[in-house]
Amino acid sequence: QVPLQESGPGLVKPSQTLSLTCTVSGGSIRSSNYYWSWIRQPAGKGLEWIGRVYPSGSTNYSPSLNSRLTISIDTSKNQFSLILTSVTAADTAVYYCAREDTGWNTFDYWGQGTLVTVSS
Amino acid sequence: DIQMTQSPSSLSASVGDRVTITCRASQNIYTYLSWYQHKPGKAPKLLIYAASSLQSGVPSRFSGSGSETDFTLTISSLQPEDLATYYCKQTYSTPSFGPGTKVDIK
Repeated sequence: QVPLQESGPGLVKPSQTLSLTCTVSGGSIRSSNYYWSWIRQPAGKGLEWIGRVYPSGSTNYSPSLNSRLTISIDTSKNQFSLILTSVTAADTAVYYCAREDTGWNTFDYWGQGTLVTVSS
Repeated sequence: DIQMTQSPSSLSASVGDRVTITCRASQNIYTYLSWYQHKPGKAPKLLIYAASSLQSGVPSRFSGSGSETDFTLTISSLQPEDLATYYCKQTYSTPSFGPGTKVDIK
């Protein structure tokens, strides 16, 4: 088992910054066999891939979020993080972190998800 | 960007029915296609990868097929616990999900 757990504020004000951390237990985040991704689901909508970070620190981002997004990795803490700036109500969603295997790029382990609401 | 579509958007079927969900990619993605099951309040679960390979631990009533732009997920005999939304996802380029198919039990 490779439990993943999201953490961070559940409420963020409009125009401010959303910050989440995913803690990985039971396996090393340094493994070259995996990437580490963020996915979100707005209420009543489908899943949206946000971006990924490699153990090296390299990243790929969704084009629609690229200008506001930073994903980073801290291998010493076995954690990776998401920062989304200038949030609006459209960023209200359940945010999931997930492990992505480098073979077929499947998300084989997920966190339970954390609801982030953007509201004043 | 590669766009994914799914049909139907929702369906209702009886226990024991055969259920088929279709996914289409906007360009050739070879077999870089996976399927996920998402139940309310839970994390999504990987069912199928590489278009037709069954993830370990997933019941054999689930199967996938297809290549290039057209793919299907089949549940051979629908069970009550299959109530969920099903998503296809391509990883030929940066990942993108289909809009989902909600499966209800009659």
